[in-house]
Amino acid sequence: GEDVEQSLFLSVREGDSSVINCTYTDSSSTYLYWYKQEPGAGLQLLTYIFSNMDMKQDQRLTVLLNKKDKHLSLRIADTQTGDSAIYFCAESPSNYGQNFVFGPGTRLSVLP
Amino acid sequence: DTGVSQDPRHKITKRGQNVTFRCDPISEHNRLYWYRQTLGQGPEFLTYFQNEAQLEKSRLLSDRFSAERPKGSFSTLEIQRTEQGDSAMYLCASSLGYWASSLGDEQFFGPGTRLTVL
Repeated sequence: GEDVEQSLFLSVREGDSSVINCTYTDSSSTYLYWYKQEPGAGLQLLTYIFSNMDMKQDQRLTVLLNKKDKHLSLRIADTQTGDSAIYFCAESPSNYGQNFVFGPGTRLSVLP
Repeated sequence: DTGVSQDPRHKITKRGQNVTFRCDPISEHNRLYWYRQTLGQGPEFLTYFQNEAQLEKSRLLSDRFSAERPKGSFSTLEIQRTEQGDSAMYLCASSLGYWASSLGDEQFFGPGTRLTVL
């Protein structure tokens, strides 16, 4: 079945860039997502990318997709303490349903 | 409307008891989803509704689990004869059901119901 992997922890200093990596196995994935989860709050969709794109930029966020290697990354520029959270990569061929698969999440800690 | 709400936020029960959770989606949203999240893992899809119709069920959803969305608005998730392995956060999400913005058919998540089975 589909599998999504992420490193579990990342620490960066405030003001540095953070890069969170994700690998997936389903070659039919059309949509690839990044979600943020803060303590006590629901998951929040940050951005997504179509599988036919290589890069997407949205303010401080840059998503890079290497479809050949099935590797997705999220770069957060000028990381702030408010960016501390768990970041989930997810992939789906259809934008919803049972094939909407999340990774285990990367806990980002931003040190002052 | 301030978003997806779930009730209760926390539930502690004894093994073998039945529990029911409620989800109130964003009012104009046609699709409603249930996920389960265990500690250190990402959410796992359980089931989803298009209006009142339950269109997909994960193989994770055993016969002890049942979900309803009787009028196409709020939904309930019932677990019968709870087991310790059912302990998890149960997340509900809703979406419009069509591409509406630059974020597509975005799923908006509620805060979850944390279930502890003793």
